[in-house]
Amino acid sequence: HVQLVQSGAEVKKPGASVKVSCKASGYTFTGYNMHWVRQAPGQGLEWMGWINPNTGGTNYAQKFQGRVTMTRDTSISTAYMELSRLRSDDTAVYYCARRLTYHMDVWGKGTTVTVSS
Amino acid sequence: QSALTQPPSVSGSPGQSVTISCTGTSSDFSTYNRVSWYQLPPGTAPKLMIYEVSNRPSGVPDRFSGSKSGSTASLTISGLQAEDEADYYCSSYTSSSTWVFGGGTKLTVL
Repeated sequence: HVQLVQSGAEVKKPGASVKVSCKASGYTFTGYNMHWVRQAPGQGLEWMGWINPNTGGTNYAQKFQGRVTMTRDTSISTAYMELSRLRSDDTAVYYCARRLTYHMDVWGKGTTVTVSS
Repeated sequence: QSALTQPPSVSGSPGQSVTISCTGTSSDFSTYNRVSWYQLPPGTAPKLMIYEVSNRPSGVPDRFSGSKSGSTASLTISGLQAEDEADYYCSSYTSSSTWVFGGGTKLTVL
């Protein structure tokens, strides 16, 4: 059973960083790229980027270049997304999702990140 | 502004059919069959409904179907049911190995 389990909700102050984890199970972690997608309150889905867990290679959406870092720990089948210099408009639910060719077939349940002073 | 344009809302009565459109502006969108559709019921994670324009993952009812003509992809839900009420998003892979989502469409079952 393929599953992505994400870390718990976070509350951060503006200017801080947040690191969200996504633990994969039920498949070969290094065989599939992992996407990160977010949804701000009342807004649509926004693609942030992906990481290749095998090579560590990444591709970030231009909007997040310089602020986002995606990493992985293959020993524990876990992907991470770190977002720095947080602003109030970074308040959102952050999802990890497994890439399968040109779509995302399995999603985590999401991690709520609240940025508030 | 999203590169994929969806209507903000659609509605239909139980048993009817509804179609949600997704219009792309890039040549990638028109040329390749790299469009997928996701369902977001309130408060839950996204679920893949259609991939590569018209393919249904196992477990998705055959009431859901997808198509594409030129720069517009469509998701059609036939035999509408109350449980279909959700937000729906189209997505497309681009030639720069990035992804883009549409703005989302709220489906209301009357």
